[in-house]
Amino acid sequence: DTEVTQTPKHLVMGMTNKKSLKCEQHMGHRAMYWYKQKAKKPPELMFVYSYEKLSINESVPSRFSPECPNSSLLNLHLHALQPEDSALYLCASSQGLAGTYYNEQFFGPGTRLTVL
Amino acid sequence: KNEVEQSPQNLTAQEGEFITINCSYSVGISALHWLQQHPGGGIVSLFMLSSGKKKHGRLIATINIQEKHSSLHITASHPRDSAVYICAPRGTGNQFYFGTGTSLTVIP
Repeated sequence: DTEVTQTPKHLVMGMTNKKSLKCEQHMGHRAMYWYKQKAKKPPELMFVYSYEKLSINESVPSRFSPECPNSSLLNLHLHALQPEDSALYLCASSQGLAGTYYNEQFFGPGTRLTVL
Repeated sequence: KNEVEQSPQNLTAQEGEFITINCSYSVGISALHWLQQHPGGGIVSLFMLSSGKKKHGRLIATINIQEKHSSLHITASHPRDSAVYICAPRGTGNQFYFGTGTSLTVIP
């Protein structure tokens, strides 16, 4: 299984809602990533988990809360979002963080989020 | 200040043409990733390389670490190659960098 899956594919939420995005991989990868991508822009790194511990937080607002319950799963909990948070949220995984070939990232299809 | 520069930003080619996309970076890197993103969002990893050259089918990626430059070549281009191609170097301290992407359209 060489796939990263993400659910849901699309999500529309109001500014007062609480929702979660889910990402799953069964490749035995120990590093998982959340990215945010606005239209016609490259992905922006949000969070990196390595061995289920938060390794990098790129100064993301607290209304985004990541969680890594086990080595195969990565969640992104959303609360009190703003319309400007509407974007494509991409999850990725890699074997690890260190070393050249461990770095290759495999991406999921993304969740397209619209905040009303 | 942009650590990664890609060129061209947009490229239109006739089917069958040889295509080159360039990536220059100003930081020290451990490896460089070439990614492909189709309309609709999904990102596919094409190559991860730290030296020399890699080939996969009609795609070839090269990197010159001393000159801080990488190229992605597509031979015998096809309309299904139409996508955004993103250069993503990995910094020596595990920093993540992304180019702004090259939007390729291949016309039948």
